Amino acid sequence: TQLLEQSPQFLSIQEGENLTVYCNSSSVFSSLQWYRQEPGEGPVLLVTVVTGGEVKKLKRLTFQFGDARKDSSLHITAAQPGDTGLYLCAGAPTGSRLTFGEGTQLTVNP
Amino acid sequence: KAGVTQTPRYLIKTRGQQVTLSCSPISGHRSVSWYQQTPGQGLQFLFEYFSETQRNKGNFPGRFSGRQFSNSRSEMNVSTLELGDSALYLCASSLNGVGTGELFFGEGSRLTVL
Repeated sequence: TQLLEQSPQFLSIQEGENLTVYCNSSSVFSSLQWYRQEPGEGPVLLVTVVTGGEVKKLKRLTFQFGDARKDSSLHITAAQPGDTGLYLCAGAPTGSRLTFGEGTQLTVNP
Repeated sequence: KAGVTQTPRYLIKTRGQQVTLSCSPISGHRSVSWYQQTPGQGLQFLFEYFSETQRNKGNFPGRFSGRQFSNSRSEMNVSTLELGDSALYLCASSLNGVGTGELFFGEGSRLTVL
């Protein structure tokens, strides 16, 4: 059983569409990170959310941390082919080491 | 500044052989952590080294080992390779350790075991 459950696992959409991916857990996290991994490369950090209820925006990407700090979401507006990649959430429950979700593989078709 | 460098990028081995992978972290980073990435399991933590000491270890068999040198470069070794060891092995460096901030990943070493 994954400590961090990401959904959906796969998502294929057309350019210009909006989408939301989720990262859920039954554990409380002091912070959650989102990484994006493109083919042939290692993951790159997009954002870290720390405060329950926090919303952070990175251009067309909006990240939200749940009020109870057990879940997070990533919303992409007007997706572009350059957004294609594997989106990973990562967090460390109190007293435990950092763990990654399995990721959401996003494909944006032109 | 230079990023995290992993070598080799690709390698093919046969069952029973051993393999050594290398990782050079960002200059000034004392922590190097290793991960195994497979389609079905995602990123699984192998171990973390900090200032030449293993600080944490994941749930992998003893065939997986690592070390860190005084210049912070790290190596991981897998002995008696099995088919299931085929994966992308990623290393990440950080300033103060896993869970304290951003991890900077290398491009990975893709291992195929035949």
